[in-house]
Amino acid sequence: DAKTTQPPSMDCAEGRAANLPCNHSTISGNEYVYWYRQIHSQGPQYIIHGLKNNETNEMASLIITEDRKSSTLILPHATLRDTAVYYCIVRVGGAAGNKLTFGGGTRVLVKP
Amino acid sequence: DTGVSQDPRHKITKRGQNVTFRCDPISEHNRLYWYRQTLGQGPEFLTYFQNEAQLEKSRLLSDRFSAERPKGSFSTLEIQRTEQGDSAMYLCASSFMQTGAETQYFGPGTRLLVL
Repeated sequence: DAKTTQPPSMDCAEGRAANLPCNHSTISGNEYVYWYRQIHSQGPQYIIHGLKNNETNEMASLIITEDRKSSTLILPHATLRDTAVYYCIVRVGGAAGNKLTFGGGTRVLVKP
Repeated sequence: DTGVSQDPRHKITKRGQNVTFRCDPISEHNRLYWYRQTLGQGPEFLTYFQNEAQLEKSRLLSDRFSAERPKGSFSTLEIQRTEQGDSAMYLCASSFMQTGAETQYFGPGTRLLVL
């Protein structure tokens, strides 16, 4: 699975949009981009995933560049409860894929 | 609650003792994964099952570790002769394998402290 690069930390203001970047320049055509977050002492929580198109759900939006070499997770209105470590992971789809390989993630601190 | 559940949530044991953790996946999920997470690090893959079959084991899974999923539903992870280095959060995740994307959903984890 392709390796990802994320900034180690970032701060954002409560109520503002949080834009979390991820580079995955070696991504293959059959690899999906997944985002998870982990709030302190809890299990990772699935947020969103995508292959080529931008995706949106009730938690966030995922913007994938046309060349698929990078993506941005957008939390539209950050709250204090969004303080967590956010992981960007790329993984092969279908039966060929299995484990998730977690990197260091981005530690996001939402400030009042 | 229909999410992944793990039991116990916390376990304190003495070095040399055996411990066993249980994971109950989301109903109908055919894949079940075990990960380990030490302080300040991201989760690391240990092993996974598809139905009853254990399909892959990480090099992290020493011979003191054994995992089972006897009926393709719940799974157990046993650590024999625990060592202080085994202290970590043990995470279970489940998914439904299909073509295309496969999303893993994690349980709350079992936090192990070996004294």
